Amino acid sequence: DAKTTQPTSMDCAEGRAANLPCNHSTISGNEYVYWYRQIHSQGPQYIIHGLKNNETNEMASLIITEDRKSSTLILPHATLRDTAVYYCIVLRGAGSYQLTFGKGTKLSVIP
Amino acid sequence: EAQVTQNPRYLITVTGKKLTVTCSQNMNHEYMSWYRQDPGLGLRQIYYSMNVEVTDKGDVPEGYKVSRKEKRNFPLILESPSPNQTSLYFCASSLIGGVPGETQYFGPGTRLLVL
Repeated sequence: DAKTTQPTSMDCAEGRAANLPCNHSTISGNEYVYWYRQIHSQGPQYIIHGLKNNETNEMASLIITEDRKSSTLILPHATLRDTAVYYCIVLRGAGSYQLTFGKGTKLSVIP
Repeated sequence: EAQVTQNPRYLITVTGKKLTVTCSQNMNHEYMSWYRQDPGLGLRQIYYSMNVEVTDKGDVPEGYKVSRKEKRNFPLILESPSPNQTSLYFCASSLIGGVPGETQYFGPGTRLLVL
């Protein structure tokens, strides 16, 4: 399974864009990149996922590099409620759907 | 409202006293899973179920049992809890499981303390 590497923590000013990087250099061609977040010990919440192309939804944008070895989650206008731990995950191989969460990035949105 | 529910939310018990944490989803999902979360270790999968009567081990199954007699329910059983099972537990479900692009929905968590 492809492993991911994320910074331990980041700060972002309220109202500014938060850019969270993730390295997944061993990703396979058919593996997706997923982002989840967890707000203070609540259940993890799905944000977005992608395979090759950049993706956008109502919560965030996902930028995947052309070689797929890294990606960036963008929260366009961070609010205090976006303070959470963000997990970058690569979907394990076909036949099962076992999410493995690493340590993630603790994002603190500052007023 | 589509959701995954867990009960109890908080539980304090003693070593060796059997307990069950219930999980239920109302989305007609086929795939359900249990995770535990510990400081510094992230989220680790305990067991998962692809459908009724189909269960399999995740990364850390020792000391746990599960059953899937109905589609909506996936209880986690600790036959003889030990202090190292003190943790925050999450149940999750998804529509089918194993389908690229699918998302998982998580319950609110159960915080367990084993004395």
